[in-house]
Amino acid sequence: DAGITQSPRYKITETGRQVTLMCHQTWSHSYMFWYRQDLGHGLRLIYYSAAADITDKGEVPDGYVVSRSKTENFPLTLESATRSQTSVYFCASRDRLNYGYTFGSGTRLTVV
Amino acid sequence: SQQGEEDPQALSIQEGENATMNCSYKTSINNLQWYRQNSGRGLVHLILIRSNEREKHSGRLRVTLDTSKKSSSLLITASRAADTASYFCATNFGNEKLTFGTGTRLTIIP
Repeated sequence: DAGITQSPRYKITETGRQVTLMCHQTWSHSYMFWYRQDLGHGLRLIYYSAAADITDKGEVPDGYVVSRSKTENFPLTLESATRSQTSVYFCASRDRLNYGYTFGSGTRLTVV
Repeated sequence: SQQGEEDPQALSIQEGENATMNCSYKTSINNLQWYRQNSGRGLVHLILIRSNEREKHSGRLRVTLDTSKKSSSLLITASRAADTASYFCATNFGNEKLTFGTGTRLTIIP
């Protein structure tokens, strides 16, 4: 299917566990982004990538790791999950010519 | 910290009425964008206005930008029940990143 796909849709994990959220896009967009959405904070940028093997920190990167070995994939890893990382995570992408983002459907992560 | 701040935080109107949401930001921008988010879904890009534009239309949407006041407004005309959603403004400073506000929750009453 064309588009941007996030998996899993829902995830419950325990404090201290490592968890990886997946993001896959089929357009070969150069830019990809990870945001978290929390009540009262709107969307905050965690990490972004301008191309394969190029990543950079956003506003709230602590506790997260990203990689981008292929243009179409941009996984987000929580190295040791904490309750404060309970949130809805959105992946987004855009190409070089258009500034508008396309978002995935999100992953709702609960850390217990 | 949020660059854009929407006002009001919540808005309820009757179907058929117009809805206006405002966004203020703090520093110079390259462009400003508006997104819609239906409950439990991802954000959908609605419209983009560049810093050298003052007004832009797309269907029932009208966006204005006042760079001297660092503010923008989104007008939805002839509202429908399907317009019920949260609306976010997002600002771009000429780089890859967008900074989002906290959103306006719009409810259309049938």
